[in-house]
Amino acid sequence: DVKVTQSSRYLVKRTGEKVFLECVQDMDHENMFWYRQDPGLGLRLIYFSYDVKMKEKGDIPEGYSVSREKKERFSLILESASTNQTSMYLCASSSPLGDSQPQHFGDGTRLSIL
Amino acid sequence: AQSVTQLDSHVSVSEGTPVLLRCNYSSSYSPSLFWYVQHPNKGLQLLLKYTSAATLVKGINGFEAEFKKSETSFHLTKPSAHMSDAAEYFCVVSVYNFNKFYFGSGTKLNVKP
Repeated sequence: DVKVTQSSRYLVKRTGEKVFLECVQDMDHENMFWYRQDPGLGLRLIYFSYDVKMKEKGDIPEGYSVSREKKERFSLILESASTNQTSMYLCASSSPLGDSQPQHFGDGTRLSIL
Repeated sequence: AQSVTQLDSHVSVSEGTPVLLRCNYSSSYSPSLFWYVQHPNKGLQLLLKYTSAATLVKGINGFEAEFKKSETSFHLTKPSAHMSDAAEYFCVVSVYNFNKFYFGSGTKLNVKP
């Protein structure tokens, strides 16, 4: 079974802090994704990566950056946290879409910025 | 362009009665379609997937979905609801050579005892 592990289930940080959210997958997937989920707004793609050191902006990249130094790990970075970044963050991984493979999700990190 | 519409934001059924969650999609290409379930404060779990093989797809926990190209629909059904089915359900479409997944807005299923 594919396992996607997010390092924290709950996280509380202060405005202005630099925040790191970590995600690790164990299935050698090429693609990894970061989403945020907010009530009434559904899932919105922040960034995705299709290979080590490769990344593409999603729909809402402002205020975020990412890092993928190793294939299994994809980090989301909030450069200077703000209260409007309080949200549920979901990481996912998948094989290349040419295989029509689904995404596999972690359990999420509920982040609160005070 | 690709898009997904989940026709009901909330569905309420009684335990033991059938479940129908509706999903329509729009795609310029042959899509792959998925249904996911999300329980409170958890990630999304894959229920089933359609990838151009059989049009009736069986998934986990007794769920199934039928791909109807003429209606551009991929509705999720279950013959008999269980209390543990109460959750939010997402319909998702992906298209080969677009490295992207398109999510519906979700349907919250309430199961009454």
